[in-house]
Amino acid sequence: AQSVSQHNHHVILSEAASLELGCNYSYGGTVNLFWYVQYPGQHLQLLLKYFSGDPLVKGIKGFEAEFIKSKFSFNLRKPSVQWSDTAEYFCAVRLRTGANNLFFGTGTRLTVIP
Amino acid sequence: DTAVSQTPKYLVTQMGNDKSIKCEQNLGHDTMYWYKQDSKKFLKIMFSYNNKELIINETVPNRFSPKSPDKAHLNLHINSLELGDSAVYFCASSQDPSPGTDTQYFGPGTRLTVL
Repeated sequence: AQSVSQHNHHVILSEAASLELGCNYSYGGTVNLFWYVQYPGQHLQLLLKYFSGDPLVKGIKGFEAEFIKSKFSFNLRKPSVQWSDTAEYFCAVRLRTGANNLFFGTGTRLTVIP
Repeated sequence: DTAVSQTPKYLVTQMGNDKSIKCEQNLGHDTMYWYKQDSKKFLKIMFSYNNKELIINETVPNRFSPKSPDKAHLNLHINSLELGDSAVYFCASSQDPSPGTDTQYFGPGTRLTVL
């Protein structure tokens, strides 16, 4: 079945530690890829997106993600996390053909300890 | 200015009641969506509307009905509420319904609690 997997359910880091959150998808066609962040009590905000071109994309707040087509992955990274990065992170995939809806992963909760 | 807004933010109601959640976007987008986020934070598409036409409807009970009076609004009506309807409902909008280069922008969510 087609799916989006985020294997890290809860990640706890100290401030200044490096972050990498995994995202894998199982769709066979061409896809658009997204990372959204949900801060406590707030709505989903777009962190970054990949449509085409350079597979290393940079987003807001120092986040970046790398699309590796051969691995069906789109991992999110940040070299040095801050307490304010504490949030829920969602990977999402949209097929380039067919319906326009996003398929979300189950999310990864990031807790950054000051 | 809020790009995508939803009302109410919180909604607590009894089983069997009928309720509505409103969504408005001021981005001039052509397509709007409703997503449901369950207690485990899993987000799933429910509906999308493009130019007043329903274009997708993912296995959602017919107790749920989206209504779009104009392209800036997509309201969600829920009849005969059940305990399992408790969730956070997110509205979103995007410029282009074609899966290509557009991005969906989300509202703040409505937390529905059915008692």
